[in-house]
Amino acid sequence: EAGVAQSPRYKIIEKRQSVAFWCNPISGHATLYWYQQILGQGPKLLIQFQNNGVVDDSQLPKDRFSAERLKGVDSTLKIQPAKLEDSAVYLCASSLVSSGGGDEQFFGPGTRLTVL
Amino acid sequence: QQPVQSPQAVILREGEDAVINCSSSKALYSVHWYRQKHGEAPVFLMILLKGGEQKGHEKISASFNEKKQQSSLYLTASQLSYSGTYFCGTETGGNKLVFGAGTILRVKS
Repeated sequence: EAGVAQSPRYKIIEKRQSVAFWCNPISGHATLYWYQQILGQGPKLLIQFQNNGVVDDSQLPKDRFSAERLKGVDSTLKIQPAKLEDSAVYLCASSLVSSGGGDEQFFGPGTRLTVL
Repeated sequence: QQPVQSPQAVILREGEDAVINCSSSKALYSVHWYRQKHGEAPVFLMILLKGGEQKGHEKISASFNEKKQQSSLYLTASQLSYSGTYFCGTETGGNKLVFGAGTILRVKS
């Protein structure tokens, strides 16, 4: 079974530039998550999708971050414009069952973003 | 609110045991445990659900005290491969996890 795919793996940009990350979850997984992990901290949930709908985006800085999952499969996370404090690893995860709770989340390798 | 993990770091020799704790101020539906090695993605270890159900690796043991909203991960007879940062993720429902700051475990030969 293929795991969660993410690209690119690394990205270096100047502040005020824009950047986009792509994620392809495990086939058949209804729920997709984007996390931000700053060095030395645990992952922080940015947005959670169920199929192509947003379940939770309460911690997404909506003035600069946006995410979509148009066909309920792969997803894109965008930052525009980037700030220095956006430097982090952006992790994508997916899980099989979308309702209730207690489902294992499978993480992708992440995209390491450096904003200069 | 972020769960509190303790200790922040621990160093063991191969074969020694360790306990990592996770405490929340909220009523929890489940607690998830992950291990992350440097530069890699978090890897699933175990889920402990309200009511006593557990899902996870046979070689890993953990407990969940629903009354105290506390969970502990037990690492016995540690191996070098156990080194990494351990995160607990707490869930109040809907598969939304809030992760702790992590516990760094280093196993020495």
